[in-house]
Amino acid sequence: DAGVIQSPRHEVTEMGQEVTLRCKPISGHNSLFWYRQTMMRGLELLIYFNNNVPIDDSGMPEDRFSAKMPNASFSTLKIQPSEPRDSAVYFCASSFMQVGEKLFFGSGTQLSVL
Amino acid sequence: RKEVEQDPGPFNVPEGATVAFNCTYSNSASQSFFWYRQDCRKEPKLLMSVYSSGNEDGRFTAQLNRASQYISLLIRDSKLSDSATYLCVVKPLLQAGTALIFGKGTTLSVSS
Repeated sequence: DAGVIQSPRHEVTEMGQEVTLRCKPISGHNSLFWYRQTMMRGLELLIYFNNNVPIDDSGMPEDRFSAKMPNASFSTLKIQPSEPRDSAVYFCASSFMQVGEKLFFGSGTQLSVL
Repeated sequence: RKEVEQDPGPFNVPEGATVAFNCTYSNSASQSFFWYRQDCRKEPKLLMSVYSSGNEDGRFTAQLNRASQYISLLIRDSKLSDSATYLCVVKPLLQAGTALIFGKGTTLSVSS
């Protein structure tokens, strides 16, 4: 099994640019989560989907952030326009809720906004 | 008060030592508890679940005290490979399919 696949692994961009992060969950998993990790705030939940439907987006910092899950095998997290304070590691994770709470994380995207 | 609080450490111990990490959570209705491990520059991975009766997995023992809203992780006979950040994780009792809340983690460094 390939696991959760995220791309890109690293992204360096300038303030004001649009950034799109991508995630392919594990096949068969019905829940997908986007987390952001910084030294100061740790791992913060941004949004999660269940069966491709957004369930809780209260962690999305502001309107500059948006997430979509058009089908069971793909999700995007978009930041437009990006700001230096968005610099962090963004993790995508998936799980199959009915069998427990084990989250499988992708390798993350290290985002640097200059 | 943060939902999940941990002592950030770092805990610096020699090989063979026993070390314990603590974690408190604020939502008394929380229903599920876990410890995740995160190596440097890697993704978090599930270490073990925490059950009310306490549970053990080899050198690792997890305990839960619901009355005090307190979770612990004990590592016996520490190995160099145990060096990592340990994340305390809680699932709030909300609607089905709610997301996990992570603590900021406790860093452990085991030296020879």
